Amino acid sequence: DQQVKQNSPSLSVQEGRISILNCDYTNSMFDYFLWYKKYPAEGPTFLISISSIKDKNEDGRFTVFLNKSAKHLSLHIVPSQPGDSAVYFCAARNEKLTFGTGTRLTIIP
Amino acid sequence: SQTIHQWPATLVQPVGSPLSLECTVEGTSNPNLYWYRQAAGRGLQLLFYSVGIGQISSEVPQNLSASRPQDRQFILSSKKLLLSDSGFYLCAWSFASDTQYFGPGTRLTVL
Repeated sequence: DQQVKQNSPSLSVQEGRISILNCDYTNSMFDYFLWYKKYPAEGPTFLISISSIKDKNEDGRFTVFLNKSAKHLSLHIVPSQPGDSAVYFCAARNEKLTFGTGTRLTIIP
Repeated sequence: SQTIHQWPATLVQPVGSPLSLECTVEGTSNPNLYWYRQAAGRGLQLLFYSVGIGQISSEVPQNLSASRPQDRQFILSSKKLLLSDSGFYLCAWSFASDTQYFGPGTRLTVL
């Protein structure tokens, strides 16, 4: 049972445009959500997080939106840069973290 | 600041051989420690986590085991590797159930 889903395995975006990565979850007990970025052959690095009591958190070019009624999480990157090309994992916490399967983002110069 | 180390970075082992992957954390005390595996084309699967020395919780029944002999040391082991054990193994730490921070990972290939 996949409690955290990233339905788009890949996404290509033109440099300078907005990248929107989506994540859906099923467990209403999740209280904290995170996004990680992963380059090949490296460990994931923490990007941004949001508590379930908020609906938006912004950090520079990265903004995470949470829609609790829809059980939907999204990460916006604007403007997108070539260095943003990586696999992005969303994760949700209910004591432990449950990860999605990841979305490979490719920024086209 | 905290640092997490994993070694080796890459490992090629024959089927049936033993395995020992080590993870150490610096700059913190009594962290929660985790082992994850990322199989090819798949997400991160939690294998084990530990909230203290000698305390190990297993998430998925499998051919692997974990131990925490010291506060900041976490070891992943197997007595006999299977082909299906190939993957990218990641160690992570956190303060309680807070944000997890990952190590650089070990690429294991079982032939």
